[in-house]
Order: sequence, then C-alpha cells, then structure tokens
Amino acid sequence: KQEVTQIPAALSVPEGENLVLNCSFTDSAIYNLQWFRQDPGKGLTSLLLIQSSQREQTSGRLNASLDKSSGRSTLYIAASQPGDSATYLCAVSLSSGSARQLTFGSGTQLTVLP
Amino acid sequence: GAGVSQSPSNKVTEKGKDVELRCDPISGHTALYWYRQSLGQGLEFLIYFQGNSAPDKSGLPSDRFSAERTGGSVSTLTIQRTQQEDSAVYLCASSWSSGTGELFFGEGSRLTVL
Repeated sequence: KQEVTQIPAALSVPEGENLVLNCSFTDSAIYNLQWFRQDPGKGLTSLLLIQSSQREQTSGRLNASLDKSSGRSTLYIAASQPGDSATYLCAVSLSSGSARQLTFGSGTQLTVLP
Repeated sequence: GAGVSQSPSNKVTEKGKDVELRCDPISGHTALYWYRQSLGQGLEFLIYFQGNSAPDKSGLPSDRFSAERTGGSVSTLTIQRTQQEDSAVYLCASSWSSGTGELFFGEGSRLTVL
C-alpha cells in the first residue's frame, strides 16, 4: 500500500526566504506526482504535476523535483511571500492496476511572516 | 462552468438523516473522484468514476455511503443514516484523462452531523 509522508508538518519562515517542502512515498511505481495548495476552508488548487518520466517542473517561483528511485519529491518556493501561507499537499498516482486514485500526504502548513 | 462546482457548500444535519452532496465536474472531464477530509486528517479516497466503466468504490467506508454519476457528468454522493463521525469536508475532483492527469478540485461540501 502506497504511503505518502510530508515533512515538516508545519513551517514558519520570514518573508523573502527560500524554502523547501519534502514529500516521500513508499512505492516508486508511480505514474505522476502532484503538488497542491489548500487555503483554510477552501478546496485544493493544483500547483505542479510531474509525470514519472520527468525530473522537475517549474511555475513562477515554484519548482518541484522528482526522484522516483528514492521515492522523494521536493517543492522549492523562492522568495516567499505572506500570500504563500497555506497548507501544501503532495499526492501520487500509482502506475499499475486500477489504483488510479491519488494517495495524499498529510500536508505541510506553511506560514510566511511579513 | 469554469471549475468543479459542489453543492451545498455547508450542510448541517441531525444524526440518522440522509444527505446528498452534488458535484458538477469541469465539462469534458471523464474522471471524477470523491475524497473526504476530516478535521486534522489527510484526504481519504472514497470513490472514482472513469467514463462508462464500473466505479472504483474501494474507499467507501461503509454501505451507508453510495455515489452515482449520471450521463458521465454530474455526480451525487449519498450518505444514509448519518453518524457524527461522518462530519467532514467532502471534496470532489475531476480530470481529463483516465485518472492519471492533473486533478482539479471543487471547494468542497462541509458536512456537520449533530
């Protein structure tokens, strides 16, 4: 059974800092990995999708990397802003069988202090 | 619509009553998912629909939970004889391809069972 772990559970940084969020998964036979952002009381917003054949994806100040063999992904946020404060979730989709549902980590709650 | 639409956004009900939650996916998306997010918990997969295939119901927690998807579009999640432990945010998501593409989430339906 796929398990997804996110460390740290919570992170507080001053505005302007670069930061890294970590995600690890136990089954490396993934189809893709997706990073989401969730604001309080809201649904999830997709940030980046990395296919299993890719190493990284970039969108603006965000960069996500994937090391499938070691079961790890990182989300790098450059020059953090207070508006980046949210919970960040990673999720993986397995590549085999009917397990098309995403398995989510429990998230990292990020607070960027002005 | 432009995004995944869920209704109601909030539902308060009494223990033992039945509830229906509705999800209207992005037009053209063939895959539709239901997830549950309890307070302080990660996202729990409930059910997955892909086109006209039989749904993957492996995540439904009990036989009080059921879901249908009519005409390959709108989906309804029904919870019968609600219990207090059913209180959670129920999130719906859809994607273009066979469950392996980027997921787009609705804002969720917050269910409170008194």
